[in-house]
Amino acid sequence: AQRVTQPEKLLSVFKGAPVELKCNYSYSGSPELFWYVQYSRQRLQLLLRHISRESIKGFTADLNKGETSFHLKKPFAQEEDSAMYYCALRGNNNDMRFGAGTRLTVKP
Amino acid sequence: NAGVMQNPRHLVRRRGQEARLRCSPMKGHSHVYWYRQLPEEGLKFMVYLQKENIIDESGMPKERFSAEFPKEGPSILRIQQVVRGDSAAYFCASSIGGANTEAFFGQGTRLTVV
Repeated sequence: AQRVTQPEKLLSVFKGAPVELKCNYSYSGSPELFWYVQYSRQRLQLLLRHISRESIKGFTADLNKGETSFHLKKPFAQEEDSAMYYCALRGNNNDMRFGAGTRLTVKP
Repeated sequence: NAGVMQNPRHLVRRRGQEARLRCSPMKGHSHVYWYRQLPEEGLKFMVYLQKENIIDESGMPKERFSAEFPKEGPSILRIQQVVRGDSAAYFCASSIGGANTEAFFGQGTRLTVV
C-alpha cells in the first residue's frame, strides 16, 4: 500500500528564512512524487514533480530513495509562500495519494 | 478548457437525506479521483475511477457512499442517509493518466449536514 506522511501540520518561519517541508513515503514500487499547493481561496494546484527536477517559485524537492523522502525546500521564504502544501504519490496503478498537508505561514 | 468543474459548490442537507456531488473532468481526461477534506485535516483519498470502472475504492466507507463515472456525463459521488459527520469539503481531481501526468483539481463541494 502507498502512504505519504507529512509530519508537520503547521510550520511558521520569518520572511527571508529557509524553509523545509518534510514528506516521507512508503511504496514498494517506483513512485512518482509531487508537491501541490493551495493558496487562500484558490484550488489545489501542482507546484512541482520529482521527475522534472525543476525549481518553481524558488522551491525545489529532491527524491531520496534511501530515506524515502521528498522534502520541499526554499532558501529564502516570502510572505506570498504562505499556503497549504501537500505531498502526493502516484503508484504504478495511477492511484494518487496525498499527505495530510502542512500549513506554511511566513511572517513579515 | 474550463478545468475541472464541481457542482454544487455548497450543499446543505438534513440528516437522513441524500447528497449527490458532481464532477466534470477536464476535456480528454478519463481518470477521476475523489478526496474528502475534514476541517483542519488534509486530503483523504476516497475513490479512483476510470470511465465506467472503479479502480480503487479503498478509501470509501463501506456503507452509504458510492461513486460512478459513466461513459457519458460527470462523475457522481453519492452519499445516502447523510449524518453530521459527513460534513466536509469534497474535492475531485482528473488526469489524463500515464506517467508523471498532473492531476487537476476542482474547487470542491462543501457539504453541510444539519
